Amino acid sequence: QVQLQESGPGLVKPSETLSLTCTVSGYSISSGYYWGWIRQPPGKGLEWIGSIYHSGSTYHNPSLKSRVTISVDTSKNQFSLKLSSVTAADTAVYYCARDWGLKATFDYWGQGTLVTVSS
Amino acid sequence: QSALTQPRSVSGSPGQSVTISCTGTSSDVGGYNYVSWYQQHPGKAPKLMIYDVSKRPSGVPDRFSGSKSGNTASLTISGLQAEDEADYYCSSYAGSYTLGVFGTGTKVTVL
Repeated sequence: QVQLQESGPGLVKPSETLSLTCTVSGYSISSGYYWGWIRQPPGKGLEWIGSIYHSGSTYHNPSLKSRVTISVDTSKNQFSLKLSSVTAADTAVYYCARDWGLKATFDYWGQGTLVTVSS
Repeated sequence: QSALTQPRSVSGSPGQSVTISCTGTSSDVGGYNYVSWYQQHPGKAPKLMIYDVSKRPSGVPDRFSGSKSGNTASLTISGLQAEDEADYYCSSYAGSYTLGVFGTGTKVTVL
């Protein structure tokens, strides 16, 4: 069974960089699929942040692109998200998920982690 | 890249059917047969219920069905059950050079 688990700080100060890691078990990232990050501000809808392939090929939400870095470590079966210059508007539950490519189809999700941006 | 439009809420009694619409444009919903639907219970991660407009992943009850006409996709829940009360989101492919897009979300209430 494919499982994903997000990890990282739950509190980040404004203007700093949010860093999260997703650890995948039950499936090797190197075997295929894209691996994505989606966020959900409290009480609001889903927003796709971006995704990465095991080769390192990425695509990002244009509205966030300049602040987003997504990387993959196949040796650890992990992928990561960095979001720079955060503001209160970046407060959200952040999910990692297995992505079927640009189709916006995600079949396995992590449980999500709440990241609050506050001083 | 605008969010797909969904009704804020729909409701129905147990055993009834409800349909949720998801309206986009010819650049996303109308242009491709790649619409997905997700169910999200409070405090939980979304769960894939429908992909490629009308296909169900293994384990999803056949009470859930998807369809599309023009720029609008729909999710129908037949034989509504108490556990179907949740938020539902659609998503769609939007072309080779841009990310797909999610819908605004619909709260389904079982009366």
